[in-house]
Amino acid sequence: DGGITQSPKYLFRKEGQNVTLSCEQNLNHDAMYWYRQDPGQGLRLIYYSQIVNDFQKGDIAEGYSVSREKKESFPLTVTSAQKNPTAFYLCASKRQGNTEAFFGQGTRLTVV
Amino acid sequence: GENVEQHPSTLSVQEGDSAVIKCTYSDSASNYFPWYKQELGKRPQLIIDIRSNVGEKKDQRIAVTLNKTAKHFSLHITETQPEDSAVYFCAASLGNQFYFGTGTSLTVIP
Repeated sequence: DGGITQSPKYLFRKEGQNVTLSCEQNLNHDAMYWYRQDPGQGLRLIYYSQIVNDFQKGDIAEGYSVSREKKESFPLTVTSAQKNPTAFYLCASKRQGNTEAFFGQGTRLTVV
Repeated sequence: GENVEQHPSTLSVQEGDSAVIKCTYSDSASNYFPWYKQELGKRPQLIIDIRSNVGEKKDQRIAVTLNKTAKHFSLHITETQPEDSAVYFCAASLGNQFYFGTGTSLTVIP
């Protein structure tokens, strides 16, 4: 399954609550990414990390936070500041350079 | 940053016909161009990629062409089958960042 795992597959939260999405990879990849997918808008980059203890904002970072304490793990927290958090979230990882990115199976977050 | 545009957003073809999806990019420094297929409810998976030192690459029924001068690249699927129905994303890579197109929903009609 590509060695990158997201959990849970479905997540429901009440408005105003923070929620953390898990992403773990055993591919020994340095770079990890979080994308948000909405209908008709493709994949939009939230945050990415090229090395442990370092991460960069993507195009839509507002209302999200990440950490990269271990090479294998890149959790994403959707905070109450994110105005429209209901979406499909995809995590990806890759080796450095021009190489294929491997995606997790995604987490569908619904905020009610 | 890089800007990737993808057309068309939806495409319907009869089984056995060919399908072509086109993408343009803005930054001439981009040097790696993957194509991903995403079936309904599943993760995107790489189907073919091309690097900037190559003009064309083929893998069975799938081919990708790259025109660096015009900054566009295209995905060609021949002899389409119902299982080709999915959303296809192009991307341009600059350093370690991928910039994705907005996707093409392909439907192959049996």
